[in-house]
Amino acid sequence: QVQLVQSGAEVKKPGASVKVSCKASGYTFTSYYVHWVRQAPGQGLEWMGIINPSGGSTTYAQKFQGRVTMTRDTSTSTVYMELSSLRSEDTAVYYCARGASWGQGTLVTVSS
Amino acid sequence: QLVLTQSPSASASLGASVKVTCTLSSGHSNYAIAWHQQQPEKGPRFLMKLNSDGSHSKGDGIPDRFSGSSSGAERYLTISSLQSEDEADYYCQTWGTGKNWVFGGGTKLTVL
Repeated sequence: QVQLVQSGAEVKKPGASVKVSCKASGYTFTSYYVHWVRQAPGQGLEWMGIINPSGGSTTYAQKFQGRVTMTRDTSTSTVYMELSSLRSEDTAVYYCARGASWGQGTLVTVSS
Repeated sequence: QLVLTQSPSASASLGASVKVTCTLSSGHSNYAIAWHQQQPEKGPRFLMKLNSDGSHSKGDGIPDRFSGSSSGAERYLTISSLQSEDEADYYCQTWGTGKNWVFGGGTKLTVL
């Protein structure tokens, strides 16, 4: 079955960067786009962007343009989301998702 | 602008039925949506994709108690025979230009 397994929790200082991974299995990796969504504490779901694992093309939400980079490694069926210039407001659970499947989430805490 | 509007909260008694509503913004009444459930302290789970004609396709393992329907710009999620584990946040989501996702603000369902 389709599985998206994300990397573990991270604690970062303001101004740093974080890179979260999402390893896919159970389907043809290059056939489906992967989205990244985040959820700040007590808040709703916020779409960040999408990557096409086939060619690596990306589309980012305007809010994150210039700070987010999504990449993929087809040899390991893994997509990555890197967010730079972190601030306290970036404290959130970050999810990867593909259609009807969600990763388990990665908590990123930004604190000095 | 593509916007999904949800009531912040809903409630119904154990064993009863409840209908959760998601409203598409003007000019987008023919859009399909998806419903996602997020139980407390868990990640989102895909429930179903719901088309403008009311046809819907549910995710694997989603009970028959969950159904969807449509009327104009409104998209509905109906949960019958409410159980305690149905107490959760419910998000509607649609697809914008360039495959981006747009989320509603979420509806917190309380089972009384």
